[in-house]
Amino acid sequence: DARVTQTPRHKVTEMGQEVTMRCQPILGHNTVFWYRQTMMQGLELLAYFRNRAPLDDSGMPKDRFSAEMPDATLATLKIQPSEPRDSAVYFCASGLGGINSPLHFGNGTRLTVT
Amino acid sequence: AQSVAQPEDQVNVAEGNPLTVKCTYSVSGNPYLFWYVQYPNRGLQFLLKYITGDNLVKGSYGFEAEFNKSQTSFHLKKPSALVSDSALYFCAVRDPTSGTYKYIFGTGTRLKVLA
Repeated sequence: DARVTQTPRHKVTEMGQEVTMRCQPILGHNTVFWYRQTMMQGLELLAYFRNRAPLDDSGMPKDRFSAEMPDATLATLKIQPSEPRDSAVYFCASGLGGINSPLHFGNGTRLTVT
Repeated sequence: AQSVAQPEDQVNVAEGNPLTVKCTYSVSGNPYLFWYVQYPNRGLQFLLKYITGDNLVKGSYGFEAEFNKSQTSFHLKKPSALVSDSALYFCAVRDPTSGTYKYIFGTGTRLKVLA
């Protein structure tokens, strides 16, 4: 059963450190989304890609967050420098390009910044 | 602008009773509507979608959803709830006329099925 793989599952880091989260989308999927989930804000869209090209990253704090797709099998989300308010669960999701295609989510990276 | 509202933060229902989780939407074009479920420490899982056609859509785990264009609603239903249905449920919409591939998610409704 194909699935989206996210690493690491958990990350605890100190404020100011760089954090890199990785996502392997399902083979053949050409859209990749990054979401952040917190109790207060719910699900927030950070960025998304189609055919590895960034289409929208307006949800990301530009000064510290960056998202890339070095190749079709890897998407990365980096935070530098990290802050306590970045503590959240970060989800990657992939999908086929059709407008009616559902998203397939990974199990997330739980980030704690102390 | 497209939006989704889930008016209930939590829904409690007794096991064996029917359940309804509410969702209303706002889009400029014809909506593409989705329901997802999230279990603890897991990502969201797709349950069902409405694109066009029959207003009653059937999905995974015995869930169904009714699309009502006049009320701009897409409520999730199940005839007989199970304790294992307890989870967080998200409604989402895509507007095919928006020119984007964005999914807009609701704030989620926590379903508790009581034994």
